[in-house]
Amino acid sequence: RKEVEQDPGPFNVPEGATVAFNCTYSNSASQSFFWYRQDCRKEPKLLMSVYSSGNEDGRFTAQLNRASQYISLLIRDSKLSDSATYLCVVNFLDTGRRALTFGSGTRLQVQP
Amino acid sequence: EAGVVQSPRYKIIEKKQPVAFWCNPISGHNTLYWYLQNLGQGPELLIRYENEEAVDDSQLPKDRFSAERLKGVDSTLKIQPAELGDSAVYLCASSLSSYSGTLPNTEAFFGQGTRLTVV
Repeated sequence: RKEVEQDPGPFNVPEGATVAFNCTYSNSASQSFFWYRQDCRKEPKLLMSVYSSGNEDGRFTAQLNRASQYISLLIRDSKLSDSATYLCVVNFLDTGRRALTFGSGTRLQVQP
Repeated sequence: EAGVVQSPRYKIIEKKQPVAFWCNPISGHNTLYWYLQNLGQGPELLIRYENEEAVDDSQLPKDRFSAERLKGVDSTLKIQPAELGDSAVYLCASSLSSYSGTLPNTEAFFGQGTRLTVV
């Protein structure tokens, strides 16, 4: 089982739609969580960190459920420019190890 | 300020040949990562450095892969000999590992990667 698992995708949605991505992680020692965005043939870039109380950045909302080891990303009012792959990332703080572990990514295609 | 710089951007080599990738992290960043990314997959960690020390290389295939980070700044990743299955994008990332209260501040900044094709 992978340490970080995501919805397989792809998600094809019309402009203006609301879309949600899910991610589960296997290591309860995980301490910090992120969503990265990766455009086609580009490098990953940080979209937002995920805080325990949940957090929002404009049209993007991230939620964390530590008990269920579950992270989500909600995108409201989708734009064409949101088309990309969204990577769930977990930082494992375990006996001194600290490394960003990526999920396989969920591809989003927003259509006009 | 310049971001993470990697070179070369593209490399095509024949199998069994050696290849090396170079990474210059963001100035002042103490943590450096090398990742491998296959098409349709997320980046997979090969090795992580804290300054000049390799603190996590458990996923590095040590029979053919090697890495170094002399003086805790630039880093090189080498494959010798390359195999067909090594074709992928090799990403370097860096971060400033510090703590803000109890929340680790570990945003990683990635370079554009080196796309390796082994033929």
